[in-house]
Amino acid sequence: KNQVEQSPQSLIILEGKNCTLQCNYTVSPFSNLRWYKQDTGRGPVSLTIMTFSENTKSNGRYTATLDADTKQSSLHITASQLSDSASYICVVYLPGTASKLTFGTGTRLQVTL
Amino acid sequence: DAEITQSPRHKITETGRQVTLACHQTWNHNNMFWYRQDLGHGLRLIHYSYGVHDTNKGEVSDGYSVSRSNTEDLPLTLESAASSQTSVYFCASSLSGVNEQYFGPGTRLTVT
Repeated sequence: KNQVEQSPQSLIILEGKNCTLQCNYTVSPFSNLRWYKQDTGRGPVSLTIMTFSENTKSNGRYTATLDADTKQSSLHITASQLSDSASYICVVYLPGTASKLTFGTGTRLQVTL
Repeated sequence: DAEITQSPRHKITETGRQVTLACHQTWNHNNMFWYRQDLGHGLRLIHYSYGVHDTNKGEVSDGYSVSRSNTEDLPLTLESAASSQTSVYFCASSLSGVNEQYFGPGTRLTVT
């Protein structure tokens, strides 16, 4: 069983609408949790980073939240744009080791007119 | 601007052939990583390096090798390509410790 589970697997929304993507993890403790955006045919790019003690972090229209008690994180996208169409990957960085990243399988978001 | 590049971007090869995928970064990062990405799986670590002449196996290292002769490059070699190695391969680098990993654009490899 993957230690980082994401839902939904895919999502279609209309341009301008908001959406929330979920990440449940069992990895603990961790150094930080990041959300990455991966455009089709490109490598992942970091959107947000949160340490264990942080609850929320924003990057423009993207807001990530973290609940360490329930081991859940979410990525909220406000006023979606066509350019938000991509896969969003939740990644947990384990402490002390640069090689120990645990990746979720991602949520594929499609924003339509 | 500093960057990380991969070549080729697309490769088709036959079963049993040796294939080398290139990764080059200009950030002067100590750490470099190779991942593969397949449908239904998160990115999985193949090999990684913490510096020149240092290489380590990841969770899916069988059939792959790497070498680190300088800071900028970490080529990934498939010794004898198999159809199960058809995948998209990503190289990444980070400065040190648990700093953010920066990913290359990927190489799509098809083994026929």
